[in-house]
Amino acid sequence: DAGVIQSPRHEVTEMGQEVTLRCKPISGHDYLFWYRQTMMRGLELLIYFNNNVPIDDSGMPEDRFSAKMPNASFSTLKIQPSEPRDSAVYFCASTSGQGSQPQHFGDGTRLSIL
Amino acid sequence: QKEVEQNSGPLSVPEGAIASLNCTYSDRGSQSFFWYRQYSGKSPELIMSIYSNGDKEDGRFTAQLNKASQYVSLLIRDSQPSDSATYLCAVIKDGGTSYGKLTFGQGTILTVHP
Repeated sequence: DAGVIQSPRHEVTEMGQEVTLRCKPISGHDYLFWYRQTMMRGLELLIYFNNNVPIDDSGMPEDRFSAKMPNASFSTLKIQPSEPRDSAVYFCASTSGQGSQPQHFGDGTRLSIL
Repeated sequence: QKEVEQNSGPLSVPEGAIASLNCTYSDRGSQSFFWYRQYSGKSPELIMSIYSNGDKEDGRFTAQLNKASQYVSLLIRDSQPSDSATYLCAVIKDGGTSYGKLTFGQGTILTVHP
C-alpha cells in the first residue's frame, strides 16, 4: 500500500528562483495538508484541502507561496520568488474520513535556498 | 497561551524505565488527539490516537486523556534506546473552520540511555 509520495526529496536552489514541491496523497484520502518544519518554529500547517478545494490557507506565510490541487491524486506547493528564510523541510500529509482521522505523512522535501 | 503545549525537554530516562510525556491544549472543543514520533531526519509517524476520556493501551504505549483538565499524556513502558526520538502531541478541533485541522505541540525530545 503506497504511502504519501513527495518529490523531490531534496532541493537546493538560489534565491529568487521558483520552487515547486509535489505531493501524491494516499489513494482514497480526501484531505491533503502541507506543513513546514524548522528548528525555530516547529511543525506549521500552511494550507489544507478537502476534496481538492482549499479550506484553510491562513498558514501560508505570504503571497510568494501558492498551492494547488488540480485533482484527487496530485498537489503542488510553489514558492516564487524563493528566499533563504524559506529553507525548511516541507511535509505533505493526507487522511480520509470526516477530518478527525490521523494524518499520514510523506517523507518530506528538504529545501535549501542559497 | 499556545494552543498545544508539551512538557519542556529534553527528557532522559534509563533503558527499561517508564517515560512520561505530557501535553495540554487550550480549546475545549478539541475532540481528537494523537501522538506522533519523529526520528531525526524523518517524517512524523503516528503511534497513538485517542478520542475519549480514559486510557488506551497499545503494546508498550499508553495514551491517557482527560478532557476536563484538557490534558493528554503518553506513557512508554520498558523504554528502549530505539524509542529515542521527538514526540509530537497533536490535536484536531472538530467543527467550524478548524474542521480537520491538526495543531501540533512543539515536541519533546526523548533520549533513552542504556
